[in-house]
Amino acid sequence: SYELTQPPSVSVSPGQTARITCSGDALPKQNGHWYQQKPGQAPVVVIYKDSERPAGIPERFSGSSSGTTVMLTISGVQAEDEADYYCQSADSTGTYVVFGGGTKLTVL
Amino acid sequence: QVQLQESGPGLVKPSETLSLTCTVSGDSISGLHWSWIRQPAGKGLEWIGRIYISGRTNYNPALNSRVTMSVDTSKNQFSLKLSSVTAADTAVYYCARDGIVLGAPDAFDIWGQGTMVTVS
Repeated sequence: SYELTQPPSVSVSPGQTARITCSGDALPKQNGHWYQQKPGQAPVVVIYKDSERPAGIPERFSGSSSGTTVMLTISGVQAEDEADYYCQSADSTGTYVVFGGGTKLTVL
Repeated sequence: QVQLQESGPGLVKPSETLSLTCTVSGDSISGLHWSWIRQPAGKGLEWIGRIYISGRTNYNPALNSRVTMSVDTSKNQFSLKLSSVTAADTAVYYCARDGIVLGAPDAFDIWGQGTMVTVS
């Protein structure tokens, strides 16, 4: 079955830049999306179609794509950004949805 | 604004069928696609399946034989049935709207708050 691979954890100090990667063989063909999930809450989309930001999401959140990897970048990290982040995409046929395993962002 | 609310039993016995409903408020369910996603405690997200307003469905191959989704446009609801449940099906279950409004139909732009289902 198709998988998306994320690092389990990323740690940064406030004000620094956090980068979270997500790798998958179908990513050159399929869009990547990113969700933020805080404890006890439902996920919220922060980036869609690799690099688009929904209304209401701070500009410090950005996304990029290169080959089989998509990346979420959080510039000027704030304490409130501490959360789990999940990438999501589809298999090569576009039929089945897949989530990455999630990355816990810790703000030191 | 559009809101989704999951409802259903919080406790299901092993081997029985888990049944959940998602009620959509603030907009019509028609013309859009809807998904179910679950998350075991302390673990990641798992997509269960999608239902199109036409009634066509796509299910996670790992769950395909046990999943049935349906939609009731008259009630602005869609539903999930998962049969032959085991303890491994214990999770928070979310309903979500596919991101057609964003131009990203394979993303999820609105989620319900989630409902905990325990199999025991």
